[in-house]
Amino acid sequence: DTAVSQTPKYLVTQMGNDKSIKCEQNLGHDTMYWYKQDSKKFLKIMFSYNNKELIINETVPNRFSPKSPDKAHLNLHINSLELGDSAVYFCASSQEARINEQFFGPGTRLTVL
Amino acid sequence: GENVEQHPSTLSVQEGDSAVIKCTYSDSASNYFPWYKQELGKRPQLIIDIRSNVGEKKDQRIAVTLNKTAKHFSLHITETQPEDSAVYFCAASWHNNDMRFGAGTRLTVKP
Repeated sequence: DTAVSQTPKYLVTQMGNDKSIKCEQNLGHDTMYWYKQDSKKFLKIMFSYNNKELIINETVPNRFSPKSPDKAHLNLHINSLELGDSAVYFCASSQEARINEQFFGPGTRLTVL
Repeated sequence: GENVEQHPSTLSVQEGDSAVIKCTYSDSASNYFPWYKQELGKRPQLIIDIRSNVGEKKDQRIAVTLNKTAKHFSLHITETQPEDSAVYFCAASWHNNDMRFGAGTRLTVKP
């Protein structure tokens, strides 16, 4: 069974477009995250959601917006895509209390042309 | 906020040798220190972790040490094998699971 899943795995799009990446976890975790991994492999947290509330909001452009329809899903919407948005985006989840291990999804490689 | 520094950025060892990766953190409130391994094109996966009430933890060929006073922790891999080749990330986490990652170490184990 897949614990944390993301779709799509690859996304190629033109500058200026709007796109979404979906994430689902079946672990019953309370907190979900989005990370951006750039070409130098640096993992930077973008957002996290706990019980539908945003608890971490890094200084990312407001073109990026997380949407959580329920505890098992955290989708990432990106408006007006720019070349610099090209990266691998990872979703992750964790149980808030005591167990802090984060489980990562397979990643979505976004390429903006 | 937390700042995690990781060294070295690249590490090349001969098969069978040991590898050590070191990290420092800035926030004394951090209480959870995981290590993730990321193989090429794959997701980061937890290999070992340590909490602030423990000084050392070992799992087969992998061990992690934590020095809370100095705010640094290290990953030790003994008897390295080619399949240990990957990028390794340290991280520090505290309240509300605010986890910050180091910049990563690319480990190459030469057969």
